[in-house]
Amino acid sequence: EAEVAQSPRYKITEKSQAVAFWCDPISGHATLYWYRQILGQGPELLVQFQDESVVDDSQLPKDRFSAERLKGVDSTLKIQPAELGDSAMYLCASSLRGGGGSQWTEAFFGQGTRLTVV
Amino acid sequence: GENVEQHPSTLSVQEGDSAVIKCTYSDSASNYFPWYKQELGKGPQLIIDIRSNVGEKKDQRIAVTLNKTAKHFSLHITETQPEDSAVYFCAASLGKFYFGSGTKLNVKP
Repeated sequence: EAEVAQSPRYKITEKSQAVAFWCDPISGHATLYWYRQILGQGPELLVQFQDESVVDDSQLPKDRFSAERLKGVDSTLKIQPAELGDSAMYLCASSLRGGGGSQWTEAFFGQGTRLTVV
Repeated sequence: GENVEQHPSTLSVQEGDSAVIKCTYSDSASNYFPWYKQELGKGPQLIIDIRSNVGEKKDQRIAVTLNKTAKHFSLHITETQPEDSAVYFCAASLGKFYFGSGTKLNVKP
């Protein structure tokens, strides 16, 4: 069964250091999402890609976070510098395509990267 | 933007009983409503979804109902089993997904 792959599964980093997460979506999925999930809360969207283009990054703290999906396949999310408040689960999800009306398809999540900033 | 509220935050049932989790949404334009199950340390797993042109959908022991007029939708799990214990999230979508705050379901053997 096809899955969304994420690495690493766990990351501990010191504050002010840089950290990066990688995501490989299900093959053929045009839409890729990065979510942040704080313990005990629901996921919150950070950035959404359609192919290689960003379609929504309104909740991405752009002073320290960046995301790219250069060839429209895998994606990297970077934090520089990391802060204590960035400790969370970072989830990647993908869907065949995203859009309004009847074009919606299911979104599937990876296992996430648990980030701890010390 | 969309606001999704989910209740209850915790739910404890006896094995074999039914469990119901309810969500409300604010944006009447939302047209896709998935439910996810998340086990400890893992990513959310899609378990069932419903689109705005359907009022009810069932898959074995789980079912989802949608009331567009009232802007609420519910997850129903019948004949609960200990392996149903997890955190369940509802979401509403129109262009992007907005999640509820989650319900921790505990099924006691």
